[in-house]
Amino acid sequence: GQNIDQPTEMTATEGAIVQINCTYQTSGFNGLFWYQQHAGEAPTFLSYNVLDGLEEKGRFSSFLSRSKGYSYLLLKELQMKDSASYLCAVRDRDTDKLIFGTGTRLQVFP
Amino acid sequence: EPEVTQTPSHQVTQMGQEVILRCVPISNHLYFYWYRQILGQKVEFLVSFYNNEISEKSEIFDDQFSVERPDGSNFTLKIRSTKLEDSAMYFCASSDEGTYSNQPQHFGDGTRLSIL
Repeated sequence: GQNIDQPTEMTATEGAIVQINCTYQTSGFNGLFWYQQHAGEAPTFLSYNVLDGLEEKGRFSSFLSRSKGYSYLLLKELQMKDSASYLCAVRDRDTDKLIFGTGTRLQVFP
Repeated sequence: EPEVTQTPSHQVTQMGQEVILRCVPISNHLYFYWYRQILGQKVEFLVSFYNNEISEKSEIFDDQFSVERPDGSNFTLKIRSTKLEDSAMYFCASSDEGTYSNQPQHFGDGTRLSIL
């Protein structure tokens, strides 16, 4: 079966660091993507991991452990505009469809 | 930056009517997708399309659904006889490479479909 788990909601303060976790159990794995989605808008691509380790991209970093079926998205120096849902998505091994988690709604407070 | 565009942004349709959602993928992309997101729920895969044929479809994508690339730029999703449960945001996505690529799928802004 396919199962991707993320916390439903998180809160943080402007300027802080927040880590959003994602665990997955899928029948196949060919990469994990993180997308940001503001309410009523399209998901926008943030990061991609296919090998174990950390990928850094400015204020955003993403980590993957394939043996543990685990990833996290790290957001540093939080800004108010970072308030959004963060979607963890696993790409199926044999096709290129994305299997999404329910998303984590992050609220950043001043 | 090139983007995926979708029209209309909002479509209201009576139950049982046919609806066509339109997408213009990024111009040099070869892989096309439709996803849907029911309000408050997760994004769900519907169908992928490559080389003028369906690559994969989900259980949601039944006989009432079809996709077409009528010309070199448009990619459409048709629902033949809409049901109340088809109400959702429908996202089109495209990518320039497929399964073994690190290139992401780029999403359009979506069409909000409301079935009355």
